[in-house]
Amino acid sequence: AQSVTQPDIHITVSEGASLELRCNYSYGATPYLFWYVQSPGQGLQLLLKYFSGDTLVQGIKGFEAEFKRSQSSFNLRKPSVHWSDAAEYFCAVSGGSNYKLTFGKGTLLTVNP
Amino acid sequence: SQTIHQWPATLVQPVGSPLSLECTVEGTSNPNLYWYRQAAGRGLQLLFYSVGIGQISSEVPQNLSASRPQDRQFILSSKKLLLSDSGFYLCAWSGFYYGYTFGSGTRLTVV
Repeated sequence: AQSVTQPDIHITVSEGASLELRCNYSYGATPYLFWYVQSPGQGLQLLLKYFSGDTLVQGIKGFEAEFKRSQSSFNLRKPSVHWSDAAEYFCAVSGGSNYKLTFGKGTLLTVNP
Repeated sequence: SQTIHQWPATLVQPVGSPLSLECTVEGTSNPNLYWYRQAAGRGLQLLFYSVGIGQISSEVPQNLSASRPQDRQFILSSKKLLLSDSGFYLCAWSGFYYGYTFGSGTRLTVV
């Protein structure tokens, strides 16, 4: 069965600092990997996705993520965080013919001024 | 372009009352459709998914049911709500290589 682990429940960074959110997945074949962001009371917005090809994926809002098969990881990065990036971030994995998406429990990001 | 509509945005229902949440997708055909529930501090849990009209798969035993009467319509229902049904419900659709697109969610409070 597929699974996702986000080791950090809550991260606090200062505005302008760099950010890395960790994600480890478990899946028997090549996974489809996603990062979503959720603001309070809102739905989920897709930041970026990896299906195949280049392992460094660029997304919206200046985010990027790198797929590392050897480490079963798909960490999300941003070089300089803005106050508007404060939100909850979810990593997710999918695979198989029904495309079921399995989420991690999320990482809450707080940005200090 | 594809859009997904989910309503209502907020719902307060008494214990034992019925529930019907509706989700519709526009701009695509034969999407895979999903219902997720998000409880505080517990991430997102897949409740049901559907790969076609009338085809429903349940991921967890519970007090809820789902139906897909039309290609782009997905309904989440309950005959009698429990307090434990409270949560944030999200509908989503997916197509190959599209990833998953989520609706704006329904906040359900059972009182």
